[in-house]
Amino acid sequence: EAGVAQSPRYKIIEKRQSVAFWCNPISGHATLYWYQQILGQGPKLLIQFQNNGVVDDSQLPKDRFSAERLKGVDSTLKIQPAKLEDSAVYLCASSSDREGTQYFGPGTRLLVL
Amino acid sequence: GIQVEQSPPDLILQEGANSTLRCNFSDSVNNLQWFHQNPWGQLINLFYIPSGTKQNGRLSATTVATERYSLLYISSSQTTDSGVYFCAVKLYSGGGADGLTFGKGTHLIIQP
Repeated sequence: EAGVAQSPRYKIIEKRQSVAFWCNPISGHATLYWYQQILGQGPKLLIQFQNNGVVDDSQLPKDRFSAERLKGVDSTLKIQPAKLEDSAVYLCASSSDREGTQYFGPGTRLLVL
Repeated sequence: GIQVEQSPPDLILQEGANSTLRCNFSDSVNNLQWFHQNPWGQLINLFYIPSGTKQNGRLSATTVATERYSLLYISSSQTTDSGVYFCAVKLYSGGGADGLTFGKGTHLIIQP
């Protein structure tokens, strides 16, 4: 069974530029999560989808971050414009149901200069 | 929100030693997972263990939900066990979010 796929693996941008990350969850997993992990800390939830609907986005900085999961499968997370403090690893996770084990992708390492 | 505290924050051991990592949480949970984050940043699932005891090879875990703690045991440590170990929990959802709340992790270094 293929795991959670993410791309790109690394991205370096200038502040105020925009960037997008892509995630393809494990096949059949209805629940998809985006987490942000700042160096030295544990991951923090940004947004949760159930199929193509948003369950929770209370910790997503909506003035600059947006995410979508239009067909209930893969998802994109966008930052526009990026700030220096957005430098982090962006992790995508999926689970078969809302109560189950969450499986994480390899992450996208973002550096904002 | 729920608090997750892990101890110790750092641990340095010789190869072959045993270790116990602890996770305390402040509220009732219906999901608790242990992860190993390797030096390349990949979060690897170790256990899904909201209660009870599980074993997988040299690793085992116990969660005592009524006392709000979980323990991860690593026996006969190998250098490949090095990395950061995270405990993450989720409250009973009741229609709310299901995201995991992570502790700050235990940074384990196994020396040859």
